[in-house]
Amino acid sequence: NAGVMQNPRHLVRRRGQEARLRCSPMKGHSHVYWYRQLPEEGLKFMVYLQKENIIDESGMPKERFSAEFPKEGPSILRIQQVVRGDSAAYFCASSPETSGGAGTQYFGPGTRLTVL
Amino acid sequence: QKEVEQDPGPLSVPEGAIVSLNCTYSNSAFQYFMWYRQYSRKGPELLMYTYSSGNKEDGRFTAQVDKSSKYISLFIRDSQPSDSATYLCAMREFSGGYNKLIFGAGTRLAVHP
Repeated sequence: NAGVMQNPRHLVRRRGQEARLRCSPMKGHSHVYWYRQLPEEGLKFMVYLQKENIIDESGMPKERFSAEFPKEGPSILRIQQVVRGDSAAYFCASSPETSGGAGTQYFGPGTRLTVL
Repeated sequence: QKEVEQDPGPLSVPEGAIVSLNCTYSNSAFQYFMWYRQYSRKGPELLMYTYSSGNKEDGRFTAQVDKSSKYISLFIRDSQPSDSATYLCAMREFSGGYNKLIFGAGTRLAVHP
């Protein structure tokens, strides 16, 4: 039973390029969350998606960042025109439930983005 | 004031010590409380979760919630070098019809032989 998968694990981009981060949730999970983690800091919520819908993007910068979770295929976090401040670890988590319950989320190994 | 406060440490203890990790929070609506462990350059993994007040034990780990004080703890007995990691507390907020987790900043723990 594969866990949450993310790729690439490491991504290096130059300023101004685009970064695409992919996340495949656990089998049976249709809810995906993206987080950003800066060195020595906690996890900061970015966006919550269900299949073909963005439910909450309150933590995502208004410009340059977008996310999608199509009917088929992985969820994608896209960062356009990257800047050095975008360098961070980006984690995806998935959950089997939306209401009630513990709301437990299961995390992938992360993508470490370095912007040169 | 942050919704969830957690001392970042680092906390350094000798092998075999009892470790106490803590978080405080401000939102009395939180009902589920979780602890995640994150090894260096890895994703967080769920250790355990607790509903409302009380204790929960799993092997060497005990989670404790005191809702009256808005204070949660994770105790690690007989700590091992393999417990060296960052421990993040998280709390479930049910808002807008769905669950959202609010994380503490994480406490770095080092257990030395």
